[in-house]
Parts: sequence; C-alpha cells; structure tokens
Amino acid sequence: EADIYQTPRYLVIGTGKKITLECSQTMGHDKMYWYQQDPGMELHLIHYSYGVNSTEKGDLSSESTVSRIRTEHFPLTLESARPSHTSQYLCASSELGLSGAGYTFGSGTRLTVV
Amino acid sequence: QKEVEQDPGPLSVPEGAIVSLNCTYSNSAFQYFMWYRQYSRKGPELLMYTYSSGNKEDGRFTAQVDKSSKYISLFIRDSQPSDSATYLCAMSASGANSKLTFGKGITLSVRP
Repeated sequence: EADIYQTPRYLVIGTGKKITLECSQTMGHDKMYWYQQDPGMELHLIHYSYGVNSTEKGDLSSESTVSRIRTEHFPLTLESARPSHTSQYLCASSELGLSGAGYTFGSGTRLTVV
Repeated sequence: QKEVEQDPGPLSVPEGAIVSLNCTYSNSAFQYFMWYRQYSRKGPELLMYTYSSGNKEDGRFTAQVDKSSKYISLFIRDSQPSDSATYLCAMSASGANSKLTFGKGITLSVRP
C-alpha cells in the first residue's frame, strides 16, 4: 500500500544528543517536506526537496539539516538537540509537475528534549 | 497580514449540528483549495479538494469556494463525535513548484 512512514513516533532524548528523524514514502513522489507543529499552532515549513540531491530551507529558521540521496527517503538531522527543539515533526510528500497537488502526510514524530 | 486566515476556535457543537468552518485569503493567485483533517497525535489527511470557485460535496461534507470574496468554507452536516479533530484549510497557486499555504487550523469538538 502506498504510504509515507515516519520513525520513531515518539522520542525523548537528552540535550546535546544528535538525532535523525526518518521519513520514507512508497508513492514515488519527487517532492518532500518537513513541517514543525507545536500544540494548537500552525504548521511551519522547515525544509523541502523537489528531488534527489535537491534541498531547500523553508519559511521557519531551523537548526536541523536534511538530505535527499534517494527519492523515497528524506531524513532530518539535529546535530545537537536542545529543549527548544521539542515539537512535533511532520513529513509530507506530493507529486512533482502536478499543479495544485495535495500533500500526503506521515503520522509525525513527537520529539521531547530534556 | 497572513496570506491565509482561519477562524481561531476552538469550536464545540452538539452531535447532529451543522458546522461551518471558514478561511479567508489575500493572494488572488490561489487556484487550488483544500481542507485537511488532523486527529490528535496524527498527521493531517486530505479531506476535500476544490479547483477554482464553486461547491464540492462528499457525503456529509461540502466545500465551498468564493474567489471573488477570497473566502472558502467547509460545511459538515449531521456532525458526529468522530468528526472531532483539527481542520486546516490549505491553498496554492498554479505552477508545478507552488507550495501549499496552510491556515492555522481550528479544533472542533462534537459532543455526544
């Protein structure tokens, strides 16, 4: 079944640790996105990619980095986690070349930095 | 002023009520309009999709777009407790590289 997967679903980690949030999709979508969402707050785009070896920063400044080595995989890395990084991180994908394409979202990773 | 403004909520209604959720926008280039539903601790899922002006109906849900007023609405008829979720409007312009712009979302609670 075509879908988008995020792991882990929940993560509690200490300050200063390096973490990678995984996102994979099986739909063959070229476009992928990372959003940050705090409780009751709007979605903030932090990174996006339009294909392999293409990555761009989004509207919200973020200390994270992303890579896109394979079409289906778009991991997000925090080199040194801080309590201010505590949030929900959502990954999404959509088709390239299709005007107005909707996004398919993963279930999210809820990150807590202590 | 934000490109997309959504009624802040939260909204609580009794089961069976008709619910009206609304968004306004300022970018006249927007052509594609969507509503996403997000359950607690889940990612948003696409609920309704409309191109340009007009109405679209899917079961108990009706999406309405008025481009002249830059106003979109989602109506839920015979609301159910299972409709309790956060609803986000989203829209984009034409063009393969256009990204979605989301509203802030409104949390709906349907009381049994």
